[in-house]
Amino acid sequence: KAGVTQTPRYLIKTRGQQVTLSCSPISGHRSVSWYQQTPGQGLQFLFEYFSETQRNKGNFPGRFSGRQFSNSRSEMNVSTLELGDSALYLCASSSGVSGNTIYFGEGSWLTVV
Amino acid sequence: GQQLNQSPQSMFIQEGEDVSMNCTSSSIFNTWLWYKQDPGEGPVLLIALYKAGELTSNGRLTAQFGITRKDSFLNISASIPSDVGIYFCAGERAGGTSYGKLTFGQGTILTVHP
Repeated sequence: KAGVTQTPRYLIKTRGQQVTLSCSPISGHRSVSWYQQTPGQGLQFLFEYFSETQRNKGNFPGRFSGRQFSNSRSEMNVSTLELGDSALYLCASSSGVSGNTIYFGEGSWLTVV
Repeated sequence: GQQLNQSPQSMFIQEGEDVSMNCTSSSIFNTWLWYKQDPGEGPVLLIALYKAGELTSNGRLTAQFGITRKDSFLNISASIPSDVGIYFCAGERAGGTSYGKLTFGQGTILTVHP
């Protein structure tokens, strides 16, 4: 079956702009999580959605937001971009129950200039 | 944010050698996962562990879930050049506000010399 699909793969934005990233989970998976990966901070949890509800949120400012649609596809948005937001943004998909397996997409590379 | 303590940070080995890396935490985890990440790509799941003491193999890879639930190790036997990459451990706690929230180690950079 198809894996986790993220779009776009690469994008360049200017400081102050906003960006929306999209994620389609594995078919049948109802949980989508988002992570930010940078060389300095490693992989950091942003938030998790299950059945269109945010169940869990990491320690990121309110400029980072997300949502999930009824078909389990998810989007994350970053407003008022800062240079430090340049990172690889990873989406992860799972069934959403405890002890399940979590699969990652290839990520969206965001560069803020 | 919180991270697992993963070691070693990097390894330079000869093809054919065995590799061992581990992760420790001061907190208990209910699931341990090991991923490999190639440059510019997302992490690929190698092995998933769900029970304390569990020992699981996937080809040349073997991983164990520590009995205390605070640690895990990954072994790679007879390394080959395509094993090159960054290996991450990740832990997930059970239920509540932990769903979908993985805590990651800092990664082990593996270089294999032919």
